[in-house]
Amino acid sequence: DTAVSQTPKYLVTQMGNDKSIKCEQNLGHDTMYWYKQDSKKFLKIMFSYNNKELIINETVPNRFSPKSPDKAHLNLHINSLELGDSAVYFCASSASGVTDTQYFGPGTRLTVL
Amino acid sequence: SQELEQSPQSLIVQEGKNLTINCTSSKTLYGLYWYKQKYGEGLIFLMMLQKGGEEKSHEKITAKLDEKKQQSSLHITASQPSHAGIYLCGAEMNNNAGNMLTFGGGTRLMVKP
Repeated sequence: DTAVSQTPKYLVTQMGNDKSIKCEQNLGHDTMYWYKQDSKKFLKIMFSYNNKELIINETVPNRFSPKSPDKAHLNLHINSLELGDSAVYFCASSASGVTDTQYFGPGTRLTVL
Repeated sequence: SQELEQSPQSLIVQEGKNLTINCTSSKTLYGLYWYKQKYGEGLIFLMMLQKGGEEKSHEKITAKLDEKKQQSSLHITASQPSHAGIYLCGAEMNNNAGNMLTFGGGTRLMVKP
C-alpha cells in the first residue's frame, strides 16, 4: 500500500510547455509539501499546504502553481517550462505541521529539453 | 552556504566496516530527522531526534543529537551493501516563511562487497 504516491515518475518535455505532477497521500495527513531536488541533490521546500490552504511558499517562480483539491491531494502545475526546471520533484505529507515526521513520495524526475 | 552541513559529502567503505556521518547546523536544533534515499528513489524516514543527548537505533544504524554542538551523527555498524544510498539530515528551521524542514546536502554512501 503506497502511502504517498506521485505521477508520473518520469516526465520529459520541451521548453515552453505546461505540465502537471500529481500527488496523493492515503495517510490521512493534513499537511502536504512539494520539494525540489536539484542536480547537486540539494533538497529544498517549495510549497506547503495544510487542509488545502497554502502555508509556505518559498521563493518559487509564479510559473509554479500548486493546487490542492482536497487534503489528500496536492498537484503541481508548471507553466512555460524552462531548462532550469529540470530536477526531481518530491511530494511529502505529515500529520499536521512541519513538527511532524514527513513521509515522502518516490519523486518525479522532470527533464526539460 | 547551507544551514545544515553534512560531512563527508561522499563515502566509500568496505563491507563490514563502521562509518559515521555528521550533520552540523548553523542554528539551534529543535528537531533533527535522518532520511535515506536510495539512488533514483524517494526518501525513507529513518529516525527523528528531539532532545539533546538523545540517541536512537534502528537495526545497525544509530543516531545521536548533540544540541550544544548543534550537531547530529549517524553511525552505521558493520555496513552492508544494502546501506548504500544518500543519507540526508533535515531540521526544523525558521525563516521568513515560517518553520520548515531544511535539508543538508546529503552524504553519498557506497559499500563495497
